[in-house]
Amino acid sequence: GQQLNQSPQSMFIQEGEDVSMNCTSSSIFNTWLWYKQDPGEGPVLLIALYKAGELTSNGRLTAQFGITRKDSFLNISASIPSDVGIYFCAGHEGNYQLIWGAGTKLIIKP
Amino acid sequence: DADVTQTPRNRITKTGKRIMLECSQTKGHDRMYWYRQDPGLGLRLIYYSFDVKDINKGEISDGYSVSRQAQAKFSLSLESAIPNQTALYFCATSDLGGTGETQYFGPGTRLLVL
Repeated sequence: GQQLNQSPQSMFIQEGEDVSMNCTSSSIFNTWLWYKQDPGEGPVLLIALYKAGELTSNGRLTAQFGITRKDSFLNISASIPSDVGIYFCAGHEGNYQLIWGAGTKLIIKP
Repeated sequence: DADVTQTPRNRITKTGKRIMLECSQTKGHDRMYWYRQDPGLGLRLIYYSFDVKDINKGEISDGYSVSRQAQAKFSLSLESAIPNQTALYFCATSDLGGTGETQYFGPGTRLLVL
């Protein structure tokens, strides 16, 4: 099935570092969503984007809906230990089905 | 209390057994979904329902069936479980709003088929 291309697959971060991840698609999307999944839990919505060029923040998180409508990025500033987890991008092409990226796993460097 | 609940949270079963996973929501949403999550593959849609009388197959419906008993309840069945159905299963709900749709997830059911 179709999936978004989400990168990187995993990231090793140190506390205080800024983090950036992105998703690209081969087709135009109407909506981009960013979710975070903690171990043993379901994904939780972080940010929803509905218009090309839209830049939205949620605390230390900032996400943008690409102008081409084929990509989106998520930035996390000044990372803290509770930021670890798996981040998923997802989007709608215009029909019912939400298409998901494979996830970016954030890991704290020891 | 959680808006989307799933039972059981964990289940171990044997090949060939029938299994039912249940999902309940108090969000009042019309749309409900069942997803499967495997490591490195993200979430894959099994079935979805836009209201009580509407059931649709998703990307990977083979080997699964669903029942929408009420607006608040959506159950997933494995008629004859097989080992490659070992996975984490999530139920989600959504309500299509004026600016788009976002989905809200339950805590998941971890299923192991021996």
